[in-house]
Amino acid sequence: DGGITQSPKYLFRKEGQNVTLSCEQNLNHDAMYWYRQDPGQGLRLIYYSQIVNDFQKGDIAEGYSVSREKKESFPLTVTSAQKNPTAFYLCASSMGGGGATEAFFGQGTRLTVV
Amino acid sequence: GEDVEQSLFLSVREGDSSVINCTYTDSSSTYLYWYKQEPGAGLQLLTYIFSNMDMKQDQRLTVLLNKKDKHLSLRIADTQTGDSAIYFCADRVNDYKLSFGAGTTVTVRA
Repeated sequence: DGGITQSPKYLFRKEGQNVTLSCEQNLNHDAMYWYRQDPGQGLRLIYYSQIVNDFQKGDIAEGYSVSREKKESFPLTVTSAQKNPTAFYLCASSMGGGGATEAFFGQGTRLTVV
Repeated sequence: GEDVEQSLFLSVREGDSSVINCTYTDSSSTYLYWYKQEPGAGLQLLTYIFSNMDMKQDQRLTVLLNKKDKHLSLRIADTQTGDSAIYFCADRVNDYKLSFGAGTTVTVRA
């Protein structure tokens, strides 16, 4: 089945530790995105990648890093520099940009700092 | 600006129509979207409308766009329990960025 897979579904991290969230898609999409969702707030864009080996910062990139070495994969690292990392993280992909391009979302990873 | 605003909660009786409202600030918006999120899941695209349209209908869903007032609404006819979810309005800011509202939690009561 074609789709976008995030793992793990739940993740617990101790303060001061880096943690990496996985996102894989088999839709052959060029563009991939990471969003953060907090209760009562809309989705905020962390990073996006238009093509392999290229990525741009979104609105809230501080404390996060990404890589795009393969078309199918766009992992997000939440570093210890991120002051408030507890949130629901959503990965998405799309064919490209512009127009009515639909973004397909993964099921999300809930990160909790303990 | 890129702000998108929507009311946070809506309660509706099963069988009635639901209307979810959204306002946006970006006058250069080309496409506006409605996404649905069920508990603990990702977002699913419900429908979208191009900015030169006033209305779009898709089965039980009707989208109305008032570009002058920068107001978008989603009407769900004959609301069912399976329609209980969070609904997000989103505005395409540029080729690669969507600006999302905070989401409206719709609760369908029997």
